[in-house]
Amino acid sequence: DGGITQSPKYLFRKEGQNVTLSCEQNLNHDAMYWYRQDPGQGLRLIYYSQIVNDFQKGDIAEGYSVSREKKESFPLTVTSAQKNPTAFYLCASSRWGGASYEQYFGPGTRLTVT
Amino acid sequence: DQQVKQNSPSLSVQEGRISILNCDYTNSMFDYFLWYKKYPAEGPTFLISISSIKDKNEDGRFTVFLNKSAKHLSLHIVPSQPGDSAVYFCAASSKGTYKYIFGTGTRLKVLA
Repeated sequence: DGGITQSPKYLFRKEGQNVTLSCEQNLNHDAMYWYRQDPGQGLRLIYYSQIVNDFQKGDIAEGYSVSREKKESFPLTVTSAQKNPTAFYLCASSRWGGASYEQYFGPGTRLTVT
Repeated sequence: DQQVKQNSPSLSVQEGRISILNCDYTNSMFDYFLWYKKYPAEGPTFLISISSIKDKNEDGRFTVFLNKSAKHLSLHIVPSQPGDSAVYFCAASSKGTYKYIFGTGTRLKVLA
């Protein structure tokens, strides 16, 4: 079955610690994305990557970092510099080809920092 | 600057009736629009999309209408079913870019 996996589903961390969220896809998609969702808000783009070894900042990249060493994987690190890290994090992927394509989303990771 | 707006945070509809969810956008460069459905604590699932060269796209009970001059799109669900109760997001993108701009969502409740 093709799809996107995110792990873990729930993650708890103490303030001041960095934490890395996993995202893997086996859809052979070129582009991958990270969003965060807060209560009552839409999805806000953190980072996206069009191709291996390349990524771009989204609208709220401060306090986050990513890597794209493999086509299938796009891990997100929430650093201690992120002021409000508690949120629901969603990873997505899409095809590339000039035109736009729908994104496919993973099940999400709920991060709680205390 | 909210480029994609869903001005109704919630909507309640009787089972069997039509649900109409609305979305407005400000960027005239957007040429591809999508609707997603999301249940709590899950990732959004793709429902239907429309390219700017069309003004209507149908898929079963779901129809999306695009009015480019008004920069407005709507999702019609007919007939509405209790399982349709979820948050619906519209999203927009421009050809050749990789960024999708999402609205804030509308929570649909279909009453049995």
